[in-house]
Amino acid sequence: AQKITQTQPGMFVQEKEAVTLDCTYDTSDPSYGLFWYKQPSSGEMIFLIYQGSYDQQNATEGRYSLNFQKARKSANLVISASQLGDSAMYFCAMRELIQGAQKLVFGQGTRLTINP
Amino acid sequence: NAGVTQTPKFQVLKTGQSMTLQCAQDMNHEYMSWYRQDPGMGLRLIHYSVGAGITDQGEVPNGYNVSRSTTEDFPLRLLSAAPSQTSVYFCASSHRTMNTEAFFGQGTRLTVV
Repeated sequence: AQKITQTQPGMFVQEKEAVTLDCTYDTSDPSYGLFWYKQPSSGEMIFLIYQGSYDQQNATEGRYSLNFQKARKSANLVISASQLGDSAMYFCAMRELIQGAQKLVFGQGTRLTINP
Repeated sequence: NAGVTQTPKFQVLKTGQSMTLQCAQDMNHEYMSWYRQDPGMGLRLIHYSVGAGITDQGEVPNGYNVSRSTTEDFPLRLLSAAPSQTSVYFCASSHRTMNTEAFFGQGTRLTVV
């Protein structure tokens, strides 16, 4: 079973609109963490935002915010006022304790295209 | 700041050849890991290490070896390259608790012909 599911293989959004990228997860570890990474066409992995399972407030970093709904096991990324430079692959990832070690598990990614 | 340095950036191998992908970090991170990225499959964990002298297998370890003789270095060895190992490889490092971001190298695009 998939531990991290990103159901949107691709999304197309008009510049300046807000966009929500979906991520659902499955874990039995009570102390887990959720990350979002951006991968532009140049290939590097860029960290965007982190949310710990015990964090009371939703994480925000500039134009990025994480809509964390623990009961629904959902950690959607919201990008406000999208820009052309936001066009990239976006990966949701979860840190969880597996067999005594922390591991980072990635979803399949969502390719976001911002149209002018 | 160098962060995570991964070499080479590109490599073409013939089936059966061996090679080592190098990874070094200068942040004194305990945790280092190797991932492979294939189209439509995200990043999958190959091997990881929680400190010098300690390594373990991830999700897709077959055909790869690792060692961690120092905190800084975590090389990935392909023993006998196969076309199925054609992929983009990423090295990453983080604090042991992983309560903050993992830092990634620039990636290695490997083609096995």
